[in-house]
Amino acid sequence: KAGVTQTPRYLIKTRGQQVTLSCSPISGHRSVSWYQQTPGQGLQFLFEYFSETQRNKGNFPGRFSGRQFSNSRSEMNVSTLELGDSALYLCASSFFPGADTEAFFGQGTRLTVV
Amino acid sequence: AQSVTQLGSHVSVSEGALVLLRCNYSSSVPPYLFWYVQYPNQGLQLLLKYTSAATLVKGINGFEAEFKKSETSFHLTKPSAHMSDAAEYFCAVAGGSGNTGKLIFGQGTTLQVKP
Repeated sequence: KAGVTQTPRYLIKTRGQQVTLSCSPISGHRSVSWYQQTPGQGLQFLFEYFSETQRNKGNFPGRFSGRQFSNSRSEMNVSTLELGDSALYLCASSFFPGADTEAFFGQGTRLTVV
Repeated sequence: AQSVTQLGSHVSVSEGALVLLRCNYSSSVPPYLFWYVQYPNQGLQLLLKYTSAATLVKGINGFEAEFKKSETSFHLTKPSAHMSDAAEYFCAVAGGSGNTGKLIFGQGTTLQVKP
């Protein structure tokens, strides 16, 4: 069965612009989480969604937002891009949210802000 | 609050040698612990997870990890390294209160395998 699909794979944006990233979870999975990966800060949790509700949010400024649709697909948006937002953004899906639930990761979207 | 520390950002072994990647955790509650592997330009793949069943956990590709509560450790091992094991490895603990899938990751360890 198809894995977690993230689009686009690569993106180049200019400072001040906004960007929307998309994540399609594995069929049947209803929980989606987002992570930011940078060389300096490593992997950091952004948000967790389940049944269209945000259940958990990481320590990121309000420029970072997300949502989940009724088909479990999720999007994250970053407004007023800064150079420091350049990162690999990873989406993970699971059947349900839970500490012991296996999360399956997509290949990520590489965002470069110039 | 939960946290994870991976000792050694880079580990180099010869092909066929033992692989040992170290991870120590801090958790105020019984932890759920994970090891993930990341190949270049790829996402994360789960190697194994500890969820309070057996303390010795076997994963994919010949990897295993032992949960030691007294040492707050969850080190990853593989008896014999293969060239294809070269990648970045992340230890993670399930974080936050309540029933959440939020993961807190260590800084990662890059494994180099020399022929």
